Amino acid sequence: DAKTTQPTSMDCAEGRAANLPCNHSTISGNEYVYWYRQIHSQGPQYIIHGLKNNETNEMASLIITEDRKSSTLILPHATLRDTAVYYCIVRRRNNQGGKLIFGQGTELSVKP
Amino acid sequence: GAGVSQTPSNKVTEKGKYVELRCDPISGHTALYWYRQSLGQGPEFLIYFQGTGAADDSGLPNDRFFAVRPEGSVSTLKIQRTERGDSAVYLCASSPRQDTDTQYFGPGTRLTVL
Repeated sequence: DAKTTQPTSMDCAEGRAANLPCNHSTISGNEYVYWYRQIHSQGPQYIIHGLKNNETNEMASLIITEDRKSSTLILPHATLRDTAVYYCIVRRRNNQGGKLIFGQGTELSVKP
Repeated sequence: GAGVSQTPSNKVTEKGKYVELRCDPISGHTALYWYRQSLGQGPEFLIYFQGTGAADDSGLPNDRFFAVRPEGSVSTLKIQRTERGDSAVYLCASSPRQDTDTQYFGPGTRLTVL
């Protein structure tokens, strides 16, 4: 599975959009980009995933560059409850499931 | 509905002792995963089950670690002769057959080895 690079930490003002970048320059054609987040003292929580098209759900939007070497997770109106560590993960999709390989993630602090 | 539950939430033990950590996945989920997370690090994969069988145990650090899922539901992670380096939060996750992209995590068990 391809390696990902994320900034260690970011701040965002409450109510503003939070844009979390992820570099995955060695991604291969059959690998998807997944995002999870982990609020303090809780288990990780799935947010969104995509292959090459931009994706949106009730939690966030995922923008993947045309060359697929990087992506951005967007929280459109960040709240204090969005303060968490955000993990960008790249892996092949497997209909039998499969492990997630977490990096260090980005610690997002949403400030009032 | 009920999420993934893990018991105990906290476990303190002494070096050399044996511990068992339990995971109750979401009902009907076929895949079950164990991860461990050290302070300041992302979760690290240990083992995953598809049904009753271990589909991938490549993350188990050594033969002191063992996990079972005898009936394809509840799983137990067993650690023999615990060491101080085993101290971590042990996370369990499950996913349904029809949505293998999403893993639902429990709150974890914090293991402290004195």
